[in-house]
Amino acid sequence: ETGVTQSPTHLIKTRGQQVTLRCSSQSGHNTVSWYQQALGQGPQFIFQYYREEENGRGNFPPRFSGLQFPNYSSELNVNALELDDSALYLCASSFPVGGTGELFFGEGSRLTVL
Amino acid sequence: EDQVTQSPEALRLQEGESSSLNCSYTVSGLRGLFWYRQDPGKGPEFLFTLYSAGEEKEKERLKATLTKKESFLHITAPKPEDSATYLCAVRTGNQFYFGTGTSLTVIP
Repeated sequence: ETGVTQSPTHLIKTRGQQVTLRCSSQSGHNTVSWYQQALGQGPQFIFQYYREEENGRGNFPPRFSGLQFPNYSSELNVNALELDDSALYLCASSFPVGGTGELFFGEGSRLTVL
Repeated sequence: EDQVTQSPEALRLQEGESSSLNCSYTVSGLRGLFWYRQDPGKGPEFLFTLYSAGEEKEKERLKATLTKKESFLHITAPKPEDSATYLCAVRTGNQFYFGTGTSLTVIP
């Protein structure tokens, strides 16, 4: 059984640029969520995807967008990067409603915006 | 407003010195309380899920309990390898709300 994998692990961008982060969900999981974790903070919910549709969104602006593919993998896109976007971006997979509900996280993508 | 507060922010224990971490929450429509362990630079690792007041779960030196307003993570006779940040989260709908965590250091 493979776990959640994310790429890239680290990346550096400049303000105003765009970034795409990728995630492969754990085998058998068809729901993917993305979280932003700033240094010293807990993860904050960005959005969730189920059956290739956005299935819930946190308090993040529209320049944060995502996709889920038929194989349940997912992308997080962030446009017009700002300095405050510097954080660890975590992808988590889970079973949908009706399952036990726990999230299984990847190791994260560390984004630095200069 | 849904909120999760963890205390203390940081905790230093001698090896073998038992203690408890607290997670208090206010949320409408609780669909589970979750404990995670996070090592530096890594993603959170799932520990426990609790669904109803009075429920308890155990794993090795860790025991999690739940009341209507808070949860405790009890650590019995901790070892240096238990050093990590422990995160508490509550689920409402499809969203998880995380606390800021308790950074635990166990000194040999």
